[in-house]
Amino acid sequence: DVKVTQSSRYLVKRTGEKVFLECVQDMDHENMFWYRQDPGLGLRLIYFSYDVKMKEKGDIPEGYSVSREKKERFSLILESASTNQTSMYLCASSWGQPSTDTQYFGPGTRLTVL
Amino acid sequence: SQQGEEDPQALSIQEGENATMNCSYKTSINNLQWYRQNSGRGLVHLILIRSNEREKHSGRLRVTLDTSKKSSSLLITASRAADTASYFCATALYGNNRLAFGKGNQVVVIP
Repeated sequence: DVKVTQSSRYLVKRTGEKVFLECVQDMDHENMFWYRQDPGLGLRLIYFSYDVKMKEKGDIPEGYSVSREKKERFSLILESASTNQTSMYLCASSWGQPSTDTQYFGPGTRLTVL
Repeated sequence: SQQGEEDPQALSIQEGENATMNCSYKTSINNLQWYRQNSGRGLVHLILIRSNEREKHSGRLRVTLDTSKKSSSLLITASRAADTASYFCATALYGNNRLAFGKGNQVVVIP
């Protein structure tokens, strides 16, 4: 079975802190994704990566950056956390492009910024 | 960006009944996918239907796709309490590197 793990289930940080969210997949997937999920807004794509060291902005990249140094690991970085970044963050991975393939999700990290 | 919209937004049914939810979208798609999310967890893929398919089954799930109406439906037959979850449709455009998710449909199955 494909397994996507995220470093924390719950995280509490203070405004202005630098925050790292880690995601690891064990199926040698090419594509990895970071979403945030907010009530009434559904899932919104922050960034995705289709290869090591390659990244592309999603719909809401402002305030975030990403890093993919190894194929299995995709990190989301909040350079200076703000309260409006309090959300559920979901990582996903897939073999092929969304136009042909399904995505496998991690359990999510619920981040609270105080 | 393309986004599916689920309808109804919330559904409450008795165990054993069927649950039907719909998804509408705006532009041409390559495929449409349905995902389930149990409370506070990640999403789990249920079924993918391609634009040239009209109906697909997986266990107690039946998905239809009407590209002329730009809509899809997900039917869960003989619902169980464990089917209580949020259900999301997601659309993929041709050659696009992303999925666009709807806002989700909350289904509560009462034992």
